Amino acid sequence: DTEVTQTPKHLVMGMTNKKSLKCEQHMGHRAMYWYKQKAKKPPELMFVYSYEKLSINESVPSRFSPECPNSSLLNLHLHALQPEDSALYLCASSQILAGYEQYFGPGTRLTVT
Amino acid sequence: GENVEQHPSTLSVQEGDSAVIKCTYSDSASNYFPWYKQELGKRPQLIIDIRSNVGEKKDQRIAVTLNKTAKHFSLHITETQPEDSAVYFCAAMYSGGGADGLTFGKGTHLIIQP
Repeated sequence: DTEVTQTPKHLVMGMTNKKSLKCEQHMGHRAMYWYKQKAKKPPELMFVYSYEKLSINESVPSRFSPECPNSSLLNLHLHALQPEDSALYLCASSQILAGYEQYFGPGTRLTVT
Repeated sequence: GENVEQHPSTLSVQEGDSAVIKCTYSDSASNYFPWYKQELGKRPQLIIDIRSNVGEKKDQRIAVTLNKTAKHFSLHITETQPEDSAVYFCAAMYSGGGADGLTFGKGTHLIIQP
């Protein structure tokens, strides 16, 4: 399996809702990432997990809460989001010691109303 | 932190011609430089990458060159085809054996004119 999968594909939520985005990979990668991509902009790094531990947090607001329950899964918990948080949320994974290539999932298109 | 500049923002070429996209980076410690292709509504897909110990890498119609002294790298696509139309992102990263995030350029919208 050489894919990164993400669910759901689309999500519409209100500003008072709590929701979660899920990401899964079965390539044995021990690094996983969350990126945010606004329309017509490049992906921006949010979080990096290395061996299931948070290693980088790019000063992301606390309304975004990442979780890595095991080496194959990565979650992003969302609470009290703002309309400006509407974007495509991309998950990626990579090996750590044997290579640098990051492979992206298809993303979750999030709309905050 | 790293800063990546990418030019041009839009590039229109005739089918069959070559396309060149250029990027510069600021952090001399960066040692990994991938290029991603993103079609509308789809995920970024890695098309080619280069590491700092190599000056050039080629894969069929696609090639990447790296000039570490000048801190710039370029994507070259030859014999362009309609399916090459997409947004292309360059990126840079320092990887010292751990996990690090990519810093992307702003993207180039490549349009292949039939």
